[in-house]
Amino acid sequence: AQKVTQAQTEISVVEKEDVTLDCVYETRDTTYYLFWYKQPPSGELVFLIRRNSFDEQNEISGRYSWNFQKSTSSFNFTITASQVVDSAVYFCALVIQGAQKLVFGQGTRLTINP
Amino acid sequence: DTAVSQTPKYLVTQMGNDKSIKCEQNLGHDTMYWYKQDSKKFLKIMFSYNNKELIINETVPNRFSPKSPDKAHLNLHINSLELGDSAVYFCASSQWGHNTGELFFGEGSRLTVL
Repeated sequence: AQKVTQAQTEISVVEKEDVTLDCVYETRDTTYYLFWYKQPPSGELVFLIRRNSFDEQNEISGRYSWNFQKSTSSFNFTITASQVVDSAVYFCALVIQGAQKLVFGQGTRLTINP
Repeated sequence: DTAVSQTPKYLVTQMGNDKSIKCEQNLGHDTMYWYKQDSKKFLKIMFSYNNKELIINETVPNRFSPKSPDKAHLNLHINSLELGDSAVYFCASSQWGHNTGELFFGEGSRLTVL
């Protein structure tokens, strides 16, 4: 069975600080995909990134970066120079090849204070 | 045009009533889903349909009945509503076999059972 754990329930930082959201996953499959989704206060779920299990390269997109480490089964998400608009609940998710069933972590509520 | 649209966005009803939530996607995807997000923000899959066929049916009470008249629509009918059914229900779609797991979500339908 697959499982995703986001140990940080809530994080609160001051604007412009860097913040890292942790994600640890469990699966016995060798081919799988990891995701991050953002859920702002308006409620919709916004896709941020997909990473397959064979690609451990870190990725950077503007102020966002992701660190995928298979050795520790982690897929952490860092926001650099955080902004108030980054305040949201962030979900890490996992799907194994062919399953089409996305398993979500519990979510981390991130609050950026001005 | 909204890619995945759900109606209604808000639904308040009494216990024991029957209600439906409709979902439509215009992305040409062949797979659609219903996810439930509880009050603690936990997201869990309920159903998945591929080309109108049910492929995932998690442990969901049989008061919940999905219907897919065509691959662009997946409706959710709930009989004899209970207080515990109060949640946000998200519809999503994806293309099976491509971009595995990249789901496009609707804006959610918040159901409140009184």
